[in-house]
Amino acid sequence: QKEVEQNSGPLSVPEGAIASLNCTYSDRVSQSFFWYRQYSGKSPELIMSIYSNGDKEDGRFTAQLNKASQYVSLLIRDSQPSDSATYLCAVNKYNFNKFYFGSGTKLNVKP
Amino acid sequence: GAGVSQSPSNKVTEKGKDVELRCDPISGHTALYWYRQRLGQGLEFLIYFQGNSAPDKSGLPSDRFSAERTGESVSTLTIQRTQQEDSAVYLCASSLDRGVEQPQHFGDGTRLSIL
Repeated sequence: QKEVEQNSGPLSVPEGAIASLNCTYSDRVSQSFFWYRQYSGKSPELIMSIYSNGDKEDGRFTAQLNKASQYVSLLIRDSQPSDSATYLCAVNKYNFNKFYFGSGTKLNVKP
Repeated sequence: GAGVSQSPSNKVTEKGKDVELRCDPISGHTALYWYRQRLGQGLEFLIYFQGNSAPDKSGLPSDRFSAERTGESVSTLTIQRTQQEDSAVYLCASSLDRGVEQPQHFGDGTRLSIL
């Protein structure tokens, strides 16, 4: 079983819609959770981080964490074509020095 | 520099050769990570350095892989006797310290192709 699982997609949404990206993790001791955006041929860049159950909002992005169900999600409101990228979910466990990344979900926002 | 710098950006070499990849972290960042990303895959953890502590080498896939870092400066990842399965993008990231809430900042990576 992989540490972090994501649907590879592609997830296609029309411009202006809400894109919902999901991630599940296997180890309950996981402490911190990150969403990275990676454009084709580029390196990952941090979008959101979340550490406590519930929602965390930053502009058009909302991260949701449910530790009981072991999932974390990212909502993108008013999706734009520039949001088209692969979104990587990352989990940091009890030992701070190792991040586990999912394989990423490819998002296509159609104009 | 302003961000994490990696060199070379691209490397093509023949099977069996040794390669050395370089990472220059953000100034003041004590934590440094190396990852491997195969085409269409997620990031695979390789090795982690934190200040002068012993590195976490648990992600290195074989003894052909090694990495060094002097203090809190440049790190080099060396792959000996390269194999075709080593072809991937090698990403380096640094963070301010080992706190659980510190995000990682990535370099642009080195795209390694083994012929």
